[in-house]
Amino acid sequence: AQKVTQAQTEISVVEKEDVTLDCVYETRDTTYYLFWYKQPPSGELVFLIRRNSFDEQNEISGRYSWNFQKSTSSFNFTITASQVVDSAVYFCALRRGTSYDKVIFGPGTSLSVIP
Amino acid sequence: DADVTQTPRNRITKTGKRIMLECSQTKGHDRMYWYRQDPGLGLRLIYYSFDVKDINKGEISDGYSVSRQAQAKFSLSLESAIPNQTALYFCATSDNGLLGYGYTFGSGTRLTVV
Repeated sequence: AQKVTQAQTEISVVEKEDVTLDCVYETRDTTYYLFWYKQPPSGELVFLIRRNSFDEQNEISGRYSWNFQKSTSSFNFTITASQVVDSAVYFCALRRGTSYDKVIFGPGTSLSVIP
Repeated sequence: DADVTQTPRNRITKTGKRIMLECSQTKGHDRMYWYRQDPGLGLRLIYYSFDVKDINKGEISDGYSVSRQAQAKFSLSLESAIPNQTALYFCATSDNGLLGYGYTFGSGTRLTVV
């Protein structure tokens, strides 16, 4: 069975603090894909990153970075020097590496960045 | 124009009414999906379609039906709306999955059943 857990329901940080959003996944597959999506208060879902199971390199994009560790089945997301515009709900998601499977979403973490 | 367009953006309807949410896409994707989002529950799959002749139930299909009118159009219907169907609904599209890409989402439809 596939499952995505985001244990942090809500997080509040003060602007300029760093924050890490946790994501733990379960799968028995060797090929799979992990995603992060952002949902700002306006409601749309914005794709942030896709990572395949064979690529454990960490990735950095500006203030965003992702740490993928297969040994702990985790795909954590860190925002450095947070800003008010980072306030959103963030979803971690998992997709099997076959052509007939759907994306499974975690419950989301609501991040509030306080000025 | 958006790649995936949902109409309406917002809708308030009465209990027992039939309502249709529409989705159209210009991505050229064969696969389309309907999800609903409730606070604390993430996105849950209602129905999905891998091509025009293929319709499949998701994890929460009771009370919903769908129609895939064309490759680009996938509609979700609530036959007799009830208050616990109040939620944010998303349509999404994807490629055939072999490259593991995620979804392209519409902007969502906020539905309130009173």
